[in-house]
Amino acid sequence: DVKVTQSSRYLVKRTGEKVFLECVQDMDHENMFWYRQDPGLGLRLIYFSYDVKMKEKGDIPEGYSVSREKKERFSLILESASTNQTSMYLCASGNPGPLSYEQYFGPGTRLTVT
Amino acid sequence: AQTVTQSQPEMSVQEAETVTLSCTYDTSENNYYLFWYKQPPSRQMILVIRQEAYKQQNATENRFSVNFQKAAKSFSLKISDSQLGDTAMYFCAFTGNQFYFGTGTSLTVIP
Repeated sequence: DVKVTQSSRYLVKRTGEKVFLECVQDMDHENMFWYRQDPGLGLRLIYFSYDVKMKEKGDIPEGYSVSREKKERFSLILESASTNQTSMYLCASGNPGPLSYEQYFGPGTRLTVT
Repeated sequence: AQTVTQSQPEMSVQEAETVTLSCTYDTSENNYYLFWYKQPPSRQMILVIRQEAYKQQNATENRFSVNFQKAAKSFSLKISDSQLGDTAMYFCAFTGNQFYFGTGTSLTVIP
């Protein structure tokens, strides 16, 4: 079974703190994604990566950065957390290909910024 | 811009009955993939069913089937013989050059 793990299920941080969310996948997937999930807004793509050290902006990259130093690990960084970044963050991974593009999701990290 | 629209924020269905969740999308691409994902309460998101746009035949996975109308850009999910375990948030998703999810439909199966 594909396994995507996220470093924390729940996280509480203060405004202005630097926040790291870690995601690890064990299926050698090329693509990795970070989404935020908010009620009524669905999932919105923050960043994705299609290879080590490669990244592409999604729909809402402002206030976030990412790092992919190893194929299995994709980190989301909030340089200076703000209250409007309180949300559920979902990591996903997958492989491109004509029979795929399916994404496998982690359990999510519920981040609260106070 | 590519968008995915789920016009039913909440739905309910009696156990053993059939329910259809709607999804429309907008794209100028010709080759793409469509998915329905399920997110049970406090649990991980999982894939329910996928459809390749170049295939005319509608995808089926056990009790789950889709009605894919490419010209109308419509991709609805039909759940037959609904079970209590089907209670979840369902997301329609589009994958082409980018990745887009709808806002979700919260489905409750009533015993």
